[in-house]
Amino acid sequence: NAGVTQTPKFRILKIGQSMTLQCTQDMNHNYMYWYRQDPGMGLKLIYYSVGAGITDKGEVPNGYNVSRSTTEDFPLRLELAAPSQTSVYFCASSRKVTPFFPNTGELFFGEGSRLTVL
Amino acid sequence: QQQVKQSPQSLIVQKGGIPIINCAYENTAFDYFPWYQQFPGKGPALLIAIRPDVSEKKEGRFTISFNKSAKQFSLHIMDSQPGDSATYFCAASGSRLTFGEGTQLTVNP
Repeated sequence: NAGVTQTPKFRILKIGQSMTLQCTQDMNHNYMYWYRQDPGMGLKLIYYSVGAGITDKGEVPNGYNVSRSTTEDFPLRLELAAPSQTSVYFCASSRKVTPFFPNTGELFFGEGSRLTVL
Repeated sequence: QQQVKQSPQSLIVQKGGIPIINCAYENTAFDYFPWYQQFPGKGPALLIAIRPDVSEKKEGRFTISFNKSAKQFSLHIMDSQPGDSATYFCAASGSRLTFGEGTQLTVNP
C-alpha cells in the first residue's frame, strides 16, 4: 500500500519558471491538502479539496493553483516561481470523518517535495 | 486569526529523560488536538491526539496533558530514547487544522 506519493522529491527552478508538483493517494480518501513547511514556521495550508471537482484556498494560496479531477490526484501548480516559494511541500490526505467540514480525521502525509527557486 | 503557539523550538535531553513540549491556543472552538511526529526526510505522522473532554491521554511512552481553562496542552515522552529524536508538531482543529511551529527534539545516548 503506497499511501500518499509525491513527485518530484527535489527540484530547482529559476525565477519565473512554472512547474507542477504531483500528488496521488491510493486510500480512496475524500480530503486532500497541500502544505508548505519552512524552518521554524510549522506547516501552512496552501489549498485543500473535499472531493473531486472541489477545491478551496488555505492560509497561503498566493502564487499557487490546484485542481482535483479525480479522487486520487491533487496536483499543485506553481506559476512564475519566486524565491519566496523555496520550501518543502507536503501533500496529505484524510478520510471523511464527519458530515461536516472541518474534518478532524488523521492526516496521512507524503514524503515531501523540496523546491528551490534561484 | 486561529493560532497555535508551540515551545520550545528545540530541546535536547539525555536518554531516559522526560522531554516536555508545550502548546497554547486561542480559539475556544478548537475540538481536536493532535500531535504529529516527523523524522528527517519524511512527512509528519500522527502520534497521539486528544479531545477537550479529557485532561490526559496516554499511548505507550507518550502522554498528552490538556488544560482547557488555560487553553494549553503538552506532550510528555517518558523514558525517552535516541529513536525519539524527531520534530514534533502540535495542532488544533477548528475550521481547519492549524499547526504549531514545531519542536526539534534530540535525545542523546
